[in-house]
Amino acid sequence: KAGVTQTPRYLIKTRGQQVTLSCSPISGHRSVSWYQQTPGQGLQFLFEYFSETQRNKGNFPGRFSGRQFSNSRSEMNVSTLELGDSALYLCASSGYIGAEAFFGQGTRLTVV
Amino acid sequence: AQKVTQAQTEISVVEKEDVTLDCVYETRDTTYYLFWYKQPPSGELVFLIRRNSFDEQNEISGRYSWNFQKSTSSFNFTITASQVVDSAVYFCALHSETGANNLFFGTGTRLTVIP
Repeated sequence: KAGVTQTPRYLIKTRGQQVTLSCSPISGHRSVSWYQQTPGQGLQFLFEYFSETQRNKGNFPGRFSGRQFSNSRSEMNVSTLELGDSALYLCASSGYIGAEAFFGQGTRLTVV
Repeated sequence: AQKVTQAQTEISVVEKEDVTLDCVYETRDTTYYLFWYKQPPSGELVFLIRRNSFDEQNEISGRYSWNFQKSTSSFNFTITASQVVDSAVYFCALHSETGANNLFFGTGTRLTVIP
C-alpha cells in the first residue's frame, strides 16, 4: 500500500511569489491535514479536508489556502510569499477522526 | 485549550541505556487521543503509537513501551536498550474531539544515542 506522497520535495521561491504544494493520501483515506514545521514555532496545524470540505483551520493568515479533489488528493497554496513562510510543510492522511495520521516526507520551502 | 508539553528538549544516552521521554498534556475533553511520532533526519513523521483516553493500559512493542496516566495527564515513552537508529526527534501529540483531524504537537525531544 503506497504511503502519503508529497510533491515537490524541495522548492525555492522569491518573496511575493505564490506556491502550490500537492499531497496524495493513502488510498481509501479521505481526511487530509496540512502542517507547517519551523524551528521557532514547531509543528502547527494549517487545515484539514474531508470529502472536499475544509473541516478545520488553524491560526494562519488568509494567504494560506487549500483544497481537496474528489480523489482525496489535496493541494495547499501560499500567496504573496514572505521570508517567514520558509518551512517544512507536512501532509497527513487519516482514515477517520481520531485515527493515526500518516505523514508524507514533506515539502521543504525556502523563500528568498 | 489543548496543550502538549515536552519539557526535555534534548537527551543524549549511550547505546544500550534505557531512556524515557516525558509528555504532559492538557485538555478539557473527556474523549481524546494521544500519539507519539518519530522524526528522523529525512523529515517524515513516523507513527509509533495511538492511545485513546479510555484505555490506560500500558503498552509494550519490542524495545518501546508507553505509560499513560490520566491522573497526572502524562503519556511517557520509554526506549529500552537504546540503539543508534533510535536517534531522532520524538513528538507527542494530542487529538481532541473537534470534529476534525488536527493534532496538537509538543515541541519535541531530540534523542541522540551515542555508540
